[in-house]
Amino acid sequence: GAVVSQHPSRVICKSGTSVKIECRSLDFQATTMFWYRQFPKQSLMLMATSNEGSKATYEQGVEKDKFLINHASLTLSTLTVTSAHPEDSSFYICSAAQPTGHNEQFFGPGTRLTVL
Amino acid sequence: GENVEQHPSTLSVQEGDSAVIKCTYSDSASNYFPWYKQELGKRPQLIIDIRSNVGEKKDQRIAVTLNKTAKHFSLHITETQPEDSAVYFCAASIRSDYKLSFGAGTTVTVRA
Repeated sequence: GAVVSQHPSRVICKSGTSVKIECRSLDFQATTMFWYRQFPKQSLMLMATSNEGSKATYEQGVEKDKFLINHASLTLSTLTVTSAHPEDSSFYICSAAQPTGHNEQFFGPGTRLTVL
Repeated sequence: GENVEQHPSTLSVQEGDSAVIKCTYSDSASNYFPWYKQELGKRPQLIIDIRSNVGEKKDQRIAVTLNKTAKHFSLHITETQPEDSAVYFCAASIRSDYKLSFGAGTTVTVRA
C-alpha cells in the first residue's frame, strides 16, 4: 500500500524559533498533499492544500506567512512554522493523494510540536 | 464549504454488542465518504469507505451505509472487541479536489 512518512515525529522548540516538518510519499508520486492540525481531543482541521510546483491553497483563518508550505517535488512537501508560539503547539499531520481519481488519502504518522 | 456533523461524541458499549456512529453532510456534490480510526498519538487509519454510487458496503465486522437523499451515512461495528476502542472520524470529499472535511469524532469505549 501507499506509504507516507513524516519527519520529525516529535519536536520541542523555544518560542520565536521556526520549525520545519517534512512529508514524503515513499512509493508513489503525490501531486497533491494536505496539511492538517489536530489539537487534543479535537478533529483534524485542514490547514492547506499543497500542489507540486504551485503555491499552496490555505484554508480560511490559516496565516500563510506563518505556515509556509513548499511542495518542490512529487514526493516531498514541507511545512515550516515560523516564529512559533505556545499556541502553535499541536499535532501536525500530512496526507498525500494518489492521482488515480479515487480520492483516498494516505496519512503520515504526524509530528507532535511543543513550543515552550 | 462542506460541513460534516457526527454523533454521538462518545459511545460506550459492552463487548460483543454493536456500535453505530452517524454523520450528516451538507454538500450534495460530495461523493466519497471514508471512516477513520485513530488511536492516541497515531495517524488516522482508513477502516472503510463508500462512494456515492453505492448504498452499503461491508468488510467483516464493519459496515457503512449511505443515504444520498438524506445526506447521511453511518458506521456499524458488530461484535465489538476491546481493541475497537479508539476515536472514529467520518469524512466527506468531492472527487474533483480530494479535500476531506472531517466530523468531530466519536470516542468509542468497549467495556470488557
